[in-house]
Amino acid sequence: ETGVTQTPRHLVMGMTNKKSLKCEQHLGHNAMYWYKQSAKKPLELMFVYNFKEQTENNSVPSRFSPECPNSSHLFLHLHTLQPEDSALYLCASSQELLAGGGELFFGEGSRLTVL
Amino acid sequence: EDKVVQSPLSLVVHEGDTVTLNCSYEVTNFRSLLWYKQEKKAPTFLFMLTSSGIEKKSGRLSSILDKKELFSILNITATQTGDSAIYLCAPCWAGSYQLTFGKGTKLSVIP
Repeated sequence: ETGVTQTPRHLVMGMTNKKSLKCEQHLGHNAMYWYKQSAKKPLELMFVYNFKEQTENNSVPSRFSPECPNSSHLFLHLHTLQPEDSALYLCASSQELLAGGGELFFGEGSRLTVL
Repeated sequence: EDKVVQSPLSLVVHEGDTVTLNCSYEVTNFRSLLWYKQEKKAPTFLFMLTSSGIEKKSGRLSSILDKKELFSILNITATQTGDSAIYLCAPCWAGSYQLTFGKGTKLSVIP
């Protein structure tokens, strides 16, 4: 148990579906992140939220839409995805933004397969 | 072009062996470097290094940073099958909101 919970753990969707990934952190942290991990590629940062305000969007396609209603919850809404979007999506949190180079706490990830 | 290069990409050793994992990086305004262990899905934190030459140690694992030569190593002594995982290196630039991860080193420890 890492203190960061992601659901669902596995998701299979067609290219026309709309689905959402959910992340909840129980650590009282102020910053939350979405990362994408594809096979044989480094972890890629997608979005950063600090005190539920988006601070960074790393040129992510609009078919990925994040939502952060409060500092404990983070969603990733998925719409008209492509097969190349199949990956492990990891949510993470940190006490403060990583400007100080601090530690990230990761969830178990949501394994997404787009058919 | 990769800013963080980890080597080797994969490694197979026998229990009891000692391994050294390498991480080199390009940087402007370096702040810190973090090591993570990823066994199945969630990467878990191992070390954060900010100063050159000061070894961080936790049980059989240790790590050191060389800010002049821009690299870090992670040592694991007396390896066990439970050490099998992907080890990720991630430098953090000052003023940045993100860690830049390497591709990782996949370590397999066989009995």
